[in-house]
Amino acid sequence: SQQGEEDPQALSIQEGENATMNCSYKTSINNLQWYRQNSGRGLVHLILIRSNEREKHSGRLRVTLDTSKKSSSLLITASRAADTASYFCATAAGPTGTYKYIFGTGTRLKVLA
Amino acid sequence: GAVVSQHPSWVICKSGTSVKIECRSLDFQATTMFWYRQFPKQSLMLMATSNEGSKATYEQGVEKDKFLINHASLTLSTLTVTSAHPEDSSFYICSAKGTDTQYFGPGTRLTVL
Repeated sequence: SQQGEEDPQALSIQEGENATMNCSYKTSINNLQWYRQNSGRGLVHLILIRSNEREKHSGRLRVTLDTSKKSSSLLITASRAADTASYFCATAAGPTGTYKYIFGTGTRLKVLA
Repeated sequence: GAVVSQHPSWVICKSGTSVKIECRSLDFQATTMFWYRQFPKQSLMLMATSNEGSKATYEQGVEKDKFLINHASLTLSTLTVTSAHPEDSSFYICSAKGTDTQYFGPGTRLTVL
């Protein structure tokens, strides 16, 4: 089952521009995480935001979480060609210690040099 | 960060054979591991939650007898695809649960001829 839906499904921008991806989910969560996946490779953890947090930053990444709207956004500033990848949100839900992680549909980002 | 390995990284097999994929947490103990499959250009779909010393919990629609999971130790979970068919060809990714996040293996690409 898929907990989250992301939009846009695909995004193409010029190097130096900002990229914003959105994730919506269905049920209450413990935390939400963003991952990056290069084509045919494993996942790289980018950032975790807990349900009681509203915003987090990590380098060029900014993540927001709105639990009332059940949505999150990932902003990549000053994008680079190397940022080209698929980005997924994953929500952790369930009793503490028994989380299971469900992934969103993903956004394929292409940054043009 | 914690490291999770998978073996093999890729495998090609004939239809009807069984394939075992190993997932190891290299520098931490993981009582819970997860198995996902990913079709090309799609998101990760959770197949099952693997708990050390107990039976795996399968997601709806995943055949238990088809995808055998064994979590025999705190650092090893195995997924065996039994009587594999071409439709089982996919990218299989495991993850090991940490305190707040999960650590992903690099994935195993299975091709069934």
